[in-house]
Amino acid sequence: GENVEQHPSTLSVQEGDSAVIKCTYSDSASNYFPWYKQELGKGPQLIIDIRSNVGEKKDQRIAVTLNKTAKHFSLHITETQPEDSAVYFCAATSFGAAGNKLTFGGGTRVLVKP
Amino acid sequence: NAGVTQTPKFRILKIGQSMTLQCTQDMNHNYMYWYRQDPGMGLKLIYYSVGAGITDKGEVPNGYNVSRSTTEDFPLRLELAAPSQTSVYFCASSQGQLNQPQHFGDGTRLSIL
Repeated sequence: GENVEQHPSTLSVQEGDSAVIKCTYSDSASNYFPWYKQELGKGPQLIIDIRSNVGEKKDQRIAVTLNKTAKHFSLHITETQPEDSAVYFCAATSFGAAGNKLTFGGGTRVLVKP
Repeated sequence: NAGVTQTPKFRILKIGQSMTLQCTQDMNHNYMYWYRQDPGMGLKLIYYSVGAGITDKGEVPNGYNVSRSTTEDFPLRLELAAPSQTSVYFCASSQGQLNQPQHFGDGTRLSIL
């Protein structure tokens, strides 16, 4: 089955700096890669996703890149703000009979220092 | 729309007790999922359902049961609670079509003492 590894596990950045989180996956059949943000006491919320036919996607201060050959994808947050402090999860899946059965990385706790 | 609603938010159980975690969604999604999240870890899939009357095991199904009698509801049952089941449980739903995102509830924090 799929295995997703996520690094780093914690990340502390100064407000205004950039943050980068990296994930690798094992199943070459995976074709959908969402990123979730989880705030304290809340469920994960989708912030951006990328399909395997795209190498990069951007949404305001957030961008995701995908390298299918190397089987890794990354989340980039620019101009970080205190409200970006949260736990971020990457996930990978290939669509099948179970819909998008996601395999999650271990999470990255991001702290943005004012 | 309320999205995905989970009840209760918190619960403490004694070893050997049973309980049902409730999950309901109002988005008419066919696909529903139960995950558990242990401290400092990612989410692991317990069970999932692709429609009313159809359920299947995920990565960590032992000690749990599910049912799906309606599109809206997907309860998770613990029959004999064990300390290893102390975790935060999340329910999610999706349209199930290619690359449609999963929408999560806010979780149930369960402690087994």
